[in-house]
Amino acid sequence: AQTVTQSQPEMSVQEAETVTLSCTYDTSESDYYLFWYKQPPSRQMILVIRQEAYKQQNATENRFSVNFQKAAKSFSLKISDSQLGDAAMYFCAYRSFGNEKLTFGTGTRLTIIP
Amino acid sequence: ETGVTQTPRHLVMGMTNKKSLKCEQHLGHNAMYWYKQSAKKPLELMFVYSLEERVENNSVPSRFSPECPNSSHLFLHLHTLQPEDSALYLCASSHNTGVGEQYFGPGTRLTVT
Repeated sequence: AQTVTQSQPEMSVQEAETVTLSCTYDTSESDYYLFWYKQPPSRQMILVIRQEAYKQQNATENRFSVNFQKAAKSFSLKISDSQLGDAAMYFCAYRSFGNEKLTFGTGTRLTIIP
Repeated sequence: ETGVTQTPRHLVMGMTNKKSLKCEQHLGHNAMYWYKQSAKKPLELMFVYSLEERVENNSVPSRFSPECPNSSHLFLHLHTLQPEDSALYLCASSHNTGVGEQYFGPGTRLTVT
C-alpha cells in the first residue's frame, strides 16, 4: 500500500520570504500522480499544484513550485514571496495511475508571520 | 452554483437520530468521494463512486450508508452514530480518467451528542 509522509507538522515563515514543505511517499509503482492541497481556516480544500510522475519537469503555478525527485520519492512544495493568505494546512497526496483513490499525508500547518 | 457544494454545513445529532448529508458537483465529473477528517489524523477515504457505481468501501461501519443516484449527486445517510463519528465530512469529485485531480466541497461539521 502507498503511504505519504509529511514530517513537518508545523512551519512558519516571514511574509515575503520563501518556505519549503516536505513530502515523501512510498510506492512500488512507476506511473502515478502527486498533488499538494491547501486547506485554509475556512476549511475548503483547494488544489495547489499537481505533478505527473512521468514528467521530469517540475510543475510550477505562479508562486508555487515543486521539487519532484522520483528516485528519492520526494515531492516538496516551495512557496515564494509568502503572503498572509497562504496560511493554511497543506496536504500532500498520491494517486496511482488508473485508480481513483487519493492517499493523503497528515498535513503541515503553515503560519505566515507579518 | 459552481464547484462542489455540501449541505448542511453544520449538523448536530443525537445517537438515535437519522440524518443525511448531501453533496452536489457542477463540474461534469464522473467520480465522487466521501472523506472523514478528524483532528490530527490523515483524511480517511470512506467511499468512492465511479460512474455511479461504488468502487471502494474502506471498511466503513454500516451506520454510514452512501447513495449516488446520478453523477452529480452524492448522499451519506447516517443512523445510530457514535460520539467518535464527530468530524468534518468532505465530499469531492473528479474525472475518473487522466490526472483526475479531486475538487472538494466545504465540508459538513458533524457533532454527535
